[in-house]
Amino acid sequence: DGGITQSPKYLFRKEGQNVTLSCEQNLNHDAMYWYRQDPGQGLRLIYYSQIVNDFQKGDIAEGYSVSREKKESFPLTVTSAQKNPTAFYLCASSIDYRQETQYFGPGTRLLVL
Amino acid sequence: GDSVTQMEGPVTLSEEAFLTINCTYTATGYPSLFWYVQYPGEGLQLLLKATKADDKGSNKGFEATYRKETTSFHLEKGSVQVSDSAVYFCALSTSGTYKYIFGTGTRLKVLA
Repeated sequence: DGGITQSPKYLFRKEGQNVTLSCEQNLNHDAMYWYRQDPGQGLRLIYYSQIVNDFQKGDIAEGYSVSREKKESFPLTVTSAQKNPTAFYLCASSIDYRQETQYFGPGTRLLVL
Repeated sequence: GDSVTQMEGPVTLSEEAFLTINCTYTATGYPSLFWYVQYPGEGLQLLLKATKADDKGSNKGFEATYRKETTSFHLEKGSVQVSDSAVYFCALSTSGTYKYIFGTGTRLKVLA
């Protein structure tokens, strides 16, 4: 089955620690996205990538970093500079950046110890 | 800037009741409009979409009509089930861009 997988489902971060969230897709989509979801709020865009080896900041990129070395993979690193990282993180993809329909993964919940 | 406004939740209904979740938008250009559904602990699933004025999106008994004159995209279902309990997000995407603007979500609870 084609789809988007995210791992782990739950992730715990200690103070001062960087953590990396995985996102993999086998849909052959060019574009991939990372969103943050906080309780009672809509989704906010962190980073997006239109194509391999290229990515752009979204609305709330501070304290986060990404890479796009392979078409299938778009990992997100939450750095120690992100002071309020507790949230639900969602990865999405679309056929390409001009295609409006985005497909979402199951999400990773990040908690701070 | 572009924005999406949804009705506050939670919306609590009895099984087989009629559902309406209001969504209005502000956008430059000609946006496409979407409804996504999120079940507890899961990601978002596309429920339906409409790409131009007067289009009606439909799926699984849910419907929404793109109303340009009232800038609205209200979600409706004639008879809800307990399994419809979830959070529903309205979103827009301006033509030719990557960017989604999401509403804050409306939680629906359906009681047996």
